[in-house]
Amino acid sequence: EVQLVESGGGLVQPGGSLRLSCAASGFSFSTYWMFWVRQAPGKGLEWVARIRQDGSEVFYVDSVKGRFTISRDNAKNSMYLQMHSLRAEDTAVYFCARGTTSGASYCDSWGQGILVTVSS
Amino acid sequence: DIQMTQSPSTLSASVGDRISITCRASQSVSKWLAWYQQKPGKAPKLLIHTASILQSGVTSRFSGSGSGTEFTLTISSLQPDDFATYYCQQFHTDSTFGQGTKVEIK
Repeated sequence: EVQLVESGGGLVQPGGSLRLSCAASGFSFSTYWMFWVRQAPGKGLEWVARIRQDGSEVFYVDSVKGRFTISRDNAKNSMYLQMHSLRAEDTAVYFCARGTTSGASYCDSWGQGILVTVSS
Repeated sequence: DIQMTQSPSTLSASVGDRISITCRASQSVSKWLAWYQQKPGKAPKLLIHTASILQSGVTSRFSGSGSGTEFTLTISSLQPDDFATYYCQQFHTDSTFGQGTKVEIK
């Protein structure tokens, strides 16, 4: 069974930093693109970033470019999202999601989500 | 950036109804579109990908159609478990989600 478990969320002040982790199990992690998707309170879904199987390609939504960094460690079956210069508008539930073996794609498995709150 | 617009934003329906949700793209996304169901406090669930391919394990009450800029998600006979919010997602160029359609009990 595919499992994705996020951790590392919490309350952070504006301008602060936070690192999210996603632990994957139940599938061959190194063969899939992986995604971060977020959802602000009461709002819709927003794709944040995606990373290629070997980490050689990464893509971001414009609003986080230069502030967020996606990475992965295939030996640990884990993906990360390093977030800097956080803003109130980054407050959201962040989901880790599995893509496909292709590039831009749909997500067929999702974690339960982790809340990030940016507030003073 | 490709914008995705869903209609309606809210749909009131009864158990047994056949309903359709439309998703329009600001430019062609070919067949690269997915549909998700989300319930409050839960992660999204993939229903349909590549416009019309039913995800494994998803009931055949759900079907998808369309290509280019206009797509439709249809639920053939609404069941109590289907009351939720539905999102479309294009993955032709990066990824963009529609704003969501809430299906509520009439």
